[in-house]
Amino acid sequence: SQQGEEDPQALSIQEGENATMNCSYKTSINNLQWYRQNSGRGLVHLILIRSNEREKHSGRLRVTLDTSKKSSSLLITASRAADTASYFCATETQGGSEKLVFGKGTKLTVNP
Amino acid sequence: DAGVIQSPRHEVTEMGQEVTLRCKPISGHNSLFWYRQTMMRGLELLIYFNNNVPIDDSGMPEDRFSAKMPNASFSTLKIQPSEPRDSAVYFCASSFRVQETQYFGPGTRLLVL
Repeated sequence: SQQGEEDPQALSIQEGENATMNCSYKTSINNLQWYRQNSGRGLVHLILIRSNEREKHSGRLRVTLDTSKKSSSLLITASRAADTASYFCATETQGGSEKLVFGKGTKLTVNP
Repeated sequence: DAGVIQSPRHEVTEMGQEVTLRCKPISGHNSLFWYRQTMMRGLELLIYFNNNVPIDDSGMPEDRFSAKMPNASFSTLKIQPSEPRDSAVYFCASSFRVQETQYFGPGTRLLVL
C-alpha cells in the first residue's frame, strides 16, 4: 500500500509565485526524501530530511517535517518555468523493509 | 560518471514475446532497484538487490517477471511472455546503500501490442 500521499495531485501557478506541495504518510519513518521527475525522464533526488530534523533548505527549496502530524511539505520559492515537473515524496519506514516507498506525486505546472 | 544506464530506451513488442531490459548501475553503488511506472498505478518497486543479492521481490507482479544481477555492474529484468498490461516505463535506480539517495536511469518505455 502507498505510504506517502502527495497533495495536491496537480498545481498550476505563475512564474515567480511560490509552490507548496504536501506529503502525508501513515507509519513512523527514518527519513523522507523528495524527488522531481521531468516529463519523460527518470526521477532526480532533491532533498532528504531525517526524522529528527524539522526543516531543511537547498537553494530555492524548503522542506519541513512534522512527525507528530506525519506530514512533510516542499516549498519552491520564486518558481520558474523550468520547475515544471512532477514531485514525489518517498519514505523509509522504521522497523520495516529498508526500501523507499514513493507517493503518486504532485504535477506542478509553472506558467511563464 | 555516466549515471545509471538503461537499455533499450524504447521497446515495442508483440504479446507473447520475451522482453529483456538491462541496467548498469553507478560504479560503487551497492543497491539496485527496478521500478515500473504507469499513469494508473504510479511508481511501483518491483525488486531490489543489495550486493547483487535479491532482497525483496514482493513487488514482482507474477512469475512472468524475473530479475537477475550476475555482478555488481549489470542487472536484467525479463518478462516472458509479455502482455499488453505490461506496457509501462521501467526504471532502474542505484544507491550506495539501500536507505540512501537513489539515482535513476532514464527508463525503458515498453509497449506490448
